[in-house]
Amino acid sequence: NAGVTQTPKFRVLKTGQSMTLLCAQDMNHEYMYWYRQDPGMGLRLIHYSVGEGTTAKGEVPDGYNVSRLKKQNFLLGLESAAPSQTSVYFCASSYPNPPGYSGGDQETQYFGPGTRLLVL
Amino acid sequence: GQQLNQSPQSMFIQEGEDVSMNCTSSSIFNTWLWYKQDPGEGPVLLIALYKAGELTSNGRLTAQFGITRKDSFLNISASIPSDVGIYFCALYAGETSGSRLTFGEGTQLTVNP
Repeated sequence: NAGVTQTPKFRVLKTGQSMTLLCAQDMNHEYMYWYRQDPGMGLRLIHYSVGEGTTAKGEVPDGYNVSRLKKQNFLLGLESAAPSQTSVYFCASSYPNPPGYSGGDQETQYFGPGTRLLVL
Repeated sequence: GQQLNQSPQSMFIQEGEDVSMNCTSSSIFNTWLWYKQDPGEGPVLLIALYKAGELTSNGRLTAQFGITRKDSFLNISASIPSDVGIYFCALYAGETSGSRLTFGEGTQLTVNP
């Protein structure tokens, strides 16, 4: 299993350009999340989804849109990129855990490798 | 919103030393989590804590869920170079809140050989 994958790994945009970040998971997880990571600020939740066709706002949703048309994919869109959106973006998924896993379910999130975005 | 404070922000230690970091929250929560992020990668869950006072180990790592349910500690014993990375505490908001996590600001750990 590949786990959680993110595309692209790195991207440079000019202010005002648009782009879509793709997250894919092959663990049959119901829940998926998009975070951004900035120095000294930890991981902040942008949007999340508790199932195919559903999305909800997180802590910092402004300037972003998301879609979950297929269970395994969660797309993050920037309609008009701004320099303040320069960040590292992480996707995560959870629930249920693989057979044999002894920990909890919903609280165990599995993260992708991240997408580095630079907006000039 | 939920206030979650993690300290210290960074630590520079020599190989073999013990490390301690902690998190405090403004509210009571039932689940504390500790994640580690290796350079250039996504965070990975290290330890999950479910009960006040619970002490859980994962190899050289030991984490405790504070008795007040508002804090948690992570200790690393006999540090090695591969312990380098960012350590995050996180709080679990519960299933009715979309199973969201709130992360601390992170502790950047540097281990000198």
